[in-house]
Amino acid sequence: DTEVTQTPKHLVMGMTNKKSLKCEQHMGHRAMYWYKQKAKKPPELMFVYSYEKLSINESVPSRFSPECPNSSLLNLHLHALQPEDSALYLCASSQDLPRGGLQETQYFGPGTRLLVL
Amino acid sequence: RKEVEQDPGPFNVPEGATVAFNCTYSNSASQSFFWYRQDCRKEPKLLMSVYSSGNEDGRFTAQLNRASQYISLLIRDSKLSDSATYLCVVNNRNAGNMLTFGGGTRLMVKP
Repeated sequence: DTEVTQTPKHLVMGMTNKKSLKCEQHMGHRAMYWYKQKAKKPPELMFVYSYEKLSINESVPSRFSPECPNSSLLNLHLHALQPEDSALYLCASSQDLPRGGLQETQYFGPGTRLLVL
Repeated sequence: RKEVEQDPGPFNVPEGATVAFNCTYSNSASQSFFWYRQDCRKEPKLLMSVYSSGNEDGRFTAQLNRASQYISLLIRDSKLSDSATYLCVVNNRNAGNMLTFGGGTRLMVKP
């Protein structure tokens, strides 16, 4: 089963709201990722977790706060977002982080489509 | 120069046609290469990994040319259901081996 689930599917929030995006995988993967994708653009990496620890933060503004409560779950807490943060937020997982230059296959969830008003 | 470059298309082809997409990457140290497919308003899904010797999966053939830093995807006997955006993906040795996505090539297969 190569399934990554994300909730909610859609989210509309105001600039003063606090909300959270959730991601779950039961494949025993130890690496999990958050990507942001704007319309007609490729996904852009935001955060990487490995063994429940933050491994990479691609200079993402602090209004985005990731959390990895356990090896199967990854959250993205949102606070004081801007309209330009509206995008598709994709979660992905892989067996492990890349080693020796070889990349593990990443499996993507269906995404949360976020609209910030 | 972008890390991974693709022709955005769209490629409009009739059913049954053969179509080829190309992708170039800038980092000669890259070692992992993939083609992902993304349908409109959906998540990217792995289509195939690309190996040095080239690989084939049904109607899909992927080739890698390390000397020219070039990856290709060939689709034979196109189906309507092949209509999607095809993303060329390469690991970025300058960014912790994380994946870098090309901008995607849009394919539209017409009846």
